[in-house]
Amino acid sequence: KAGVTQTPRYLIKTRGQQVTLSCSPISGHRSVSWYQQTPGQGLQFLFEYFSETQRNKGNFPGRFSGRQFSNSRSEMNVSTLELGDSALYLCASSPGQGTETQYFGPGTRLLVL
Amino acid sequence: GQNIDQPTEMTATEGAIVQINCTYQTSGFNGLFWYQQHAGEAPTFLSYNVLDGLEEKGRFSSFLSRSKGYSYLLLKELQMKDSASYLCAVFKAAGNKLTFGGGTRVLVKP
Repeated sequence: KAGVTQTPRYLIKTRGQQVTLSCSPISGHRSVSWYQQTPGQGLQFLFEYFSETQRNKGNFPGRFSGRQFSNSRSEMNVSTLELGDSALYLCASSPGQGTETQYFGPGTRLLVL
Repeated sequence: GQNIDQPTEMTATEGAIVQINCTYQTSGFNGLFWYQQHAGEAPTFLSYNVLDGLEEKGRFSSFLSRSKGYSYLLLKELQMKDSASYLCAVFKAAGNKLTFGGGTRVLVKP
């Protein structure tokens, strides 16, 4: 089975712009979770989608949003970018039916200038 | 709230054993994961503990005590390629959510 894929892998934006990141889960997985990883804060949970519905959300401002499509692919959007949004954004997929391992994609490294 | 603590950094010699401790205080708990993350790469799954006790997988073992809010990851016969960050994460089934500790950077020296 192909693993979790994320595009783009690297991105440079300027403050005030917006960005959309994409995640394709492992085939058959219906849950996609998004995480932000920074040196200072570590890995922090953003939100989780299952069958096109957001089931859980972390403590991030409303500038961070996401969605999931019928094929389980997910996108996250960050509007009005700030310097502090520079991070590695990771998505993880799992079947979504219970206690299963989450498998991470390679991440999108975002740099905000 | 969630509080997950693990040491920031550990150094060990090739061939030795290292134990990485993780303590947690969380409002919900369904299990504990350990992930390995090499610099610049994604976390990869190492182990998952639901019940108390030791789970062994080759050179890596993980232990859980739910009553004490404590887990450890044991790395035996250390190899240079084991130099990485090790992340413990508490899993809550409601919302399929992982809450991570800050990670422990392990440096293996020859």
